[in-house]
Amino acid sequence: ELKVEQNPLFLSMQEGKNYTIYCNYSTTSDRLYWYRQDPGKSLESLFVLLSNGAVKQEGRLMASLDTKARLSTLHITAAVHDLSATYFCAVAPVGGDSNYQLIWGAGTKLIIKP
Amino acid sequence: DTGVSQDPRHKITKRGQNVTFRCDPISEHNRLYWYRQTLGQGPEFLTYFQNEAQLEKSRLLSDRFSAERPKGSFSTLEIQRTEQGDSAMYLCASSLSGSYSYEQYFGPGTRLTVT
Repeated sequence: ELKVEQNPLFLSMQEGKNYTIYCNYSTTSDRLYWYRQDPGKSLESLFVLLSNGAVKQEGRLMASLDTKARLSTLHITAAVHDLSATYFCAVAPVGGDSNYQLIWGAGTKLIIKP
Repeated sequence: DTGVSQDPRHKITKRGQNVTFRCDPISEHNRLYWYRQTLGQGPEFLTYFQNEAQLEKSRLLSDRFSAERPKGSFSTLEIQRTEQGDSAMYLCASSLSGSYSYEQYFGPGTRLTVT
């Protein structure tokens, strides 16, 4: 069974601190996506990681992909309250049709306290 | 810049009624997806279209669910004889085939409450 596991599922942290969210997946993949979702809202694309060793950064968020370890990380630097949201990773298995066969993690709910 | 739009944004219906949702994808995108999301969970794939052809349906999609994309543009998702378990957020996404990233862009969702 294809699985995508995120941890932690819930994270409460103070502003100014650093932390990392992990996304492990059980199948071979060369495409991994990070999305953000605010309460009651839809999903906003953050990063698309397309190759082993890919690293992308946007503001205080940095995502990386290690396809050999089947692991992606989303690192938050000097967190601010506006980053409070739920973060999802989604994986496109190799051999599947990447346009639909996305396997989603359960999400990490991030709360950043002032 | 017009993104993916969905209508209605909220729908409250009584058990046993039929409901229909509409999704308008980004205009140049030929692939369209429907997902269902319940509270505290990631999206669950329901079905997807390339142009007007429905190419895949999840086993989650019972016979009460049907989706169409008649002209390869907008799509509708109909749920017949709604059940309380159908209460969820229904998300539509679109993407462009041939794009290297296959990135999916999501609409705002339709929140369905079945009473």
